[in-house]
Amino acid sequence: QKEVEQNSGPLSVPEGAIASLNCTYSDRGSQSFFWYRQYSGKSPELIMFIYSNGDKEDGRFTAQLNKASQYVSLLIRDSQPSDSATYLCAVNSGITGGGNKLTFGTGTQLKVEL
Amino acid sequence: DADVTQTPRNRITKTGKRIMLECSQTKGHDRMYWYRQDPGLGLRLIYYSFDVKDINKGEISDGYSVSRQAQAKFSLSLESAIPNQTALYFCATSGRGNYGYTFGSGTRLTVV
Repeated sequence: QKEVEQNSGPLSVPEGAIASLNCTYSDRGSQSFFWYRQYSGKSPELIMFIYSNGDKEDGRFTAQLNKASQYVSLLIRDSQPSDSATYLCAVNSGITGGGNKLTFGTGTQLKVEL
Repeated sequence: DADVTQTPRNRITKTGKRIMLECSQTKGHDRMYWYRQDPGLGLRLIYYSFDVKDINKGEISDGYSVSRQAQAKFSLSLESAIPNQTALYFCATSGRGNYGYTFGSGTRLTVV
């Protein structure tokens, strides 16, 4: 069983709509959760992180965390064509030796259509 | 200049050759990581280092070795390259606490 699961997509949404990306994880001890955006052939770029249950908003992005159900989601409001990318969910399953060690999902491809 | 620099950006090498991928960072982070990315498999951890004297294997370390020459430098070597090591390789760094990684721009490696 994969530790971090994402639907590979593609998820297609019209411009201006809300895109909803989901991620589930298997380790109940996971402490922090990250969303990265990756354009084709480029490196992942951190867009959101969340530690506590509930919602965290940053501009058009909202991360939602439900530890009891072991899922984390990312909402993108007013989706733009420039949001078309692969979104990676990453989970830190605890601090080992004082540092981070992230496990990544395989990513969901988002396409925002004109 | 980029915070995390990887060299080379692209490399084609032959089966059996030894190759080194280099990573340097100016973020002052203690923690450094090497991942490879393959279509459909996502990012998989090869090795990580939490300080200069600390080296740890990740989930797919076979066929790879690393060297942490300084706080700012972390190199990945393929001792004898094989075609299934063809992938996009990323170096990443992180500081203390749970603030995620900063990635380098990647090295696209092709083994023929």
